Amino acid sequence: AQSVTQLGSHVSVSEGALVLLRCNYSSSVPPYLFWYVQYPNQGLQLLLKYTSAATLVKGINGFEAEFKKSETSFHLTKPSAHMSDAAEYFCAVGGGGGADGLTFGKGTHLIIQP
Amino acid sequence: DAGITQSPRHKVTETGTPVTLRCHQTENHRYMYWYRQDPGHGLRLIHYSYGVKDTDKGEVSDGYSVSRSKTEDFLLTLESATSSQTSVYFCAISADRGGNQPQHFGDGTRLSIL
Repeated sequence: AQSVTQLGSHVSVSEGALVLLRCNYSSSVPPYLFWYVQYPNQGLQLLLKYTSAATLVKGINGFEAEFKKSETSFHLTKPSAHMSDAAEYFCAVGGGGGADGLTFGKGTHLIIQP
Repeated sequence: DAGITQSPRHKVTETGTPVTLRCHQTENHRYMYWYRQDPGHGLRLIHYSYGVKDTDKGEVSDGYSVSRSKTEDFLLTLESATSSQTSVYFCAISADRGGNQPQHFGDGTRLSIL
């Protein structure tokens, strides 16, 4: 079985500061890993995905994530936060082979302080 | 953006009434999913489909049924709605199974059961 743990249901950073959202996964097979962003009253939008081609993955809006197998982590970072980054972020794991697809974390609400 | 349309976008109904939510896609993807999103729980899988007339249960399937008579449409039915089914419902589609490809989401249906 696969699982995802996102540390911190809420993360607050100042505008211009580093954004770090943590994600740890559990998987018995080589995982596929994803980060999604959800703005208010919208669906989830794919930020980036890891599919074993490279451990450092660049996504949209200046975000990137690094796959660390030894730590079973896939943390999301952005060097400089912008007010428009305020949203809910979800980490998800796949690759288990079943048709049921991805397993999602509970989400982290990112707050940007002016 | 992936061509996914959910209808209705908002619905208010009374306990005990039947409710059907529709997901329509124009991407010709084989895999379709229904999730519910609740505070503190993230996204939880209700049902999924891996082809026309092929469906299976997810994590929180009790009280829900689904049907898929055409590739493009995936219907979620609450036979007798209860207040615990008040939630935001998301449809997602994917080109491949097992989380090998990302899922793409609709904009959601906000359902309130009084």
